[in-house]
Amino acid sequence: EAGVTQFPSHSVIEKGQTVTLRCDPISGHDNLYWYRRVMGKEIKFLLHFVKESKQDESGMPNNRFLAERTGGTYSTLKVQPAELEDSGVYFCASSHSGDRNTQYFGPGTRLTVL
Amino acid sequence: GNSVTQMEGPVTLSEEAFLTINCTYTATGYPSLFWYVQYPGEGLQLLLKATKADDKGSNKGFEATYRKETTSFHLEKGSVQVSDSAVYFCALSYSGAGSYQLTFGKGTKLSVIP
Repeated sequence: EAGVTQFPSHSVIEKGQTVTLRCDPISGHDNLYWYRRVMGKEIKFLLHFVKESKQDESGMPNNRFLAERTGGTYSTLKVQPAELEDSGVYFCASSHSGDRNTQYFGPGTRLTVL
Repeated sequence: GNSVTQMEGPVTLSEEAFLTINCTYTATGYPSLFWYVQYPGEGLQLLLKATKADDKGSNKGFEATYRKETTSFHLEKGSVQVSDSAVYFCALSYSGAGSYQLTFGKGTKLSVIP
């Protein structure tokens, strides 16, 4: 069974540009989460999808971040326009509705905004 | 709100030494508790979990016991190996809001030397 995959693994962009991160959850997992870790800080929750619906987006920092999960499969997280403080590692995780407590993480996308 | 406090690293141990990484939490209700591990160059992996008071999670020689009275979930291993070198994250999940989002500690970097 394939794990959670994320693309790209690294992204370097300039301030003001747009970046789109992609996450493919484990097949059959209805729950998909986005987290991020900025330098020296804790890993912080961003939002949670159940299928294609946003269950909880209380962690989204501002309206420059837009997450989608069309069709309830893969998800994208767009940052537009990117700012310096958006640099960090963005993790995606998924879980099965029968065991929502157990989240499986992807390898993360390291975003650097110059 | 919910929070997790774990001992700051880095921690350096000799091979076969005993490991303890302290973790305490603050949460409403009865959270589930987790330890995640991130090996160099890889994503987060679930190491072990406990879902109710007095439960003991264990995996790969690591153990942690959910102590409600002290709000703690300390990670222990009797004899560490060089391959255990990684960053360890304590986390909690509370389902009261319906999202099962994880709240993480800052992480503890462990280095095991031969």
